[in-house]
Amino acid sequence: QATLQESGPVLLKPTETLTLTCTVSGFSLSNPRMGVSWIRQPPGKALEWLAHIFSDDEKSYSTSLETRLTISKDTSKSQVVLTMTNMDPVDTATYYCALYLSDFDAFDIWGQGTMVTVSS
Amino acid sequence: EIVLTQSPATLSLSAGERATLSCRASQSVSTYLAWYQQKPGQAPRLLIHDASDRATGIPARFSGNGSGTDFTLTISSLEPEDFAVYYCQHRSSWPLSFGGGTKVEVK
Repeated sequence: QATLQESGPVLLKPTETLTLTCTVSGFSLSNPRMGVSWIRQPPGKALEWLAHIFSDDEKSYSTSLETRLTISKDTSKSQVVLTMTNMDPVDTATYYCALYLSDFDAFDIWGQGTMVTVSS
Repeated sequence: EIVLTQSPATLSLSAGERATLSCRASQSVSTYLAWYQQKPGQAPRLLIHDASDRATGIPARFSGNGSGTDFTLTISSLEPEDFAVYYCQHRSSWPLSFGGGTKVEVK
C-alpha cells in the first residue's frame, strides 16, 4: 500500500523560503505510471495545485507561482522536495503531497498534509 | 490554463435526497476529469476518475458523467457520511487545476 508523508517547518517569517519534503513508501519514484504533486489549501478555501514531478524528472508548475517554486526528487531516498521562495502570510495553508496515477489521470493517494503558517 | 467552475457553491439537502453537482471547464478537457470528496480535517479522497469511473471502494451511489466542458457528479441518495466538500480536477493538459468546490450541507 502506497503512503506519502509530508514534513517541514510549521512556522515561517515573511520573505523566508519554505522547504517541504514528501517521503513516499510502497512505490518507486521511478515508476513511469506514477508521479507526485504538491497541492495546498488555505484555511477554509479550495485546493490549489502547485507543482508536479514525473518519473523521468520532468516538472510542471502552477503558472501563477512558477517563479517561486522548485520541485525535485531523490529516488534513492524516496523523497520529493518542494521549495517556495519569498513566503507571505497569504501562503499560510495546509500543504499536501499526492500520488498521481497516469492510468487514472488523478490523485489516488494523499499525504495527511502539513500546516504551514507565515507570520512575523 | 484551463479554469474549472463548480456550481452551486453550497447545496443544502437532507439525507436520502439526490445531489447533483456541476463542474464546467473553460475549454474541452475530453474525459480527463476527476472528482474528490473532502471532509473537515482530512485529505481529499478520490471518488471518480476519467469522468465516470468510480475509484476503488467508492459506493455505487456516486456516479460521474460528462465530457468536453460539462460534467456532473451525482449522489443518488445522500448518506450522513456524504455531507462534505467536493472538488473536480482536470488533467487535459499541464498545468492541471482544481475547481473551487461545492459544499454539500445538511438542510
